[in-house]
Amino acid sequence: DADVTQTPRNRITKTGKRIMLECSQTKGHDRMYWYRQDPGLGLRLIYYSFDVKDINKGEISDGYSVSRQAQAKFSLSLESAIPNQTALYFCATSDRPSLAGVGTDTQYFGPGTRLTVL
Amino acid sequence: GQSLEQPSEVTAVEGAIVQINCTYQTSGFYGLSWYQQHDGGAPTFLSYNGLDGLEETGRFSSFLSRSDSYGYLLLQELQMKDSASYFCAALDSNYQLIWGAGTKLIIKP
Repeated sequence: DADVTQTPRNRITKTGKRIMLECSQTKGHDRMYWYRQDPGLGLRLIYYSFDVKDINKGEISDGYSVSRQAQAKFSLSLESAIPNQTALYFCATSDRPSLAGVGTDTQYFGPGTRLTVL
Repeated sequence: GQSLEQPSEVTAVEGAIVQINCTYQTSGFYGLSWYQQHDGGAPTFLSYNGLDGLEETGRFSSFLSRSDSYGYLLLQELQMKDSASYFCAALDSNYQLIWGAGTKLIIKP
């Protein structure tokens, strides 16, 4: 079974609709992330959560919101979808850094959700 | 602002060696990671350099020079399955990964 799962895998929606993307993990990691990927732009951080009560905005949070329902679940919502939110969305997890503070913060990614907003 | 620069595309021949460079500018810096992403797939972790020098993992090696804000990924004995995009990512002072735009590696027979 996959350690990080995302649902749905593909979604087509219309402008103005509210959309929720869900992420679940069985790795037992405290940290979870939402990224979007656009061609030629790499990965951009939308929101991240270092534990259930700690949620932070990333580089491009406008137009998005998140909910950390449990350690294992982190959902991303588009309140009113617009066409330029068409992208590939990835959820990722990582373990907390080592006590020495030099952990790698290796991130483990879900398979992605391809979202198209018409 | 924070940024990482890497070439957009590199072409090499099967069996050869290729180096993908990455320069970074970040607010604080803990280390440099490399990820591989095949078309349609998710990024997967390859290596991390927290200290200057070379880290070797099989056919892949990664190098970091903090004084030059520079690192590279070295892939040896290239195989067709190595065709993918490679991303460098810097761990900044907020313990966030800042990503480069990725380098598409094209391998020819």
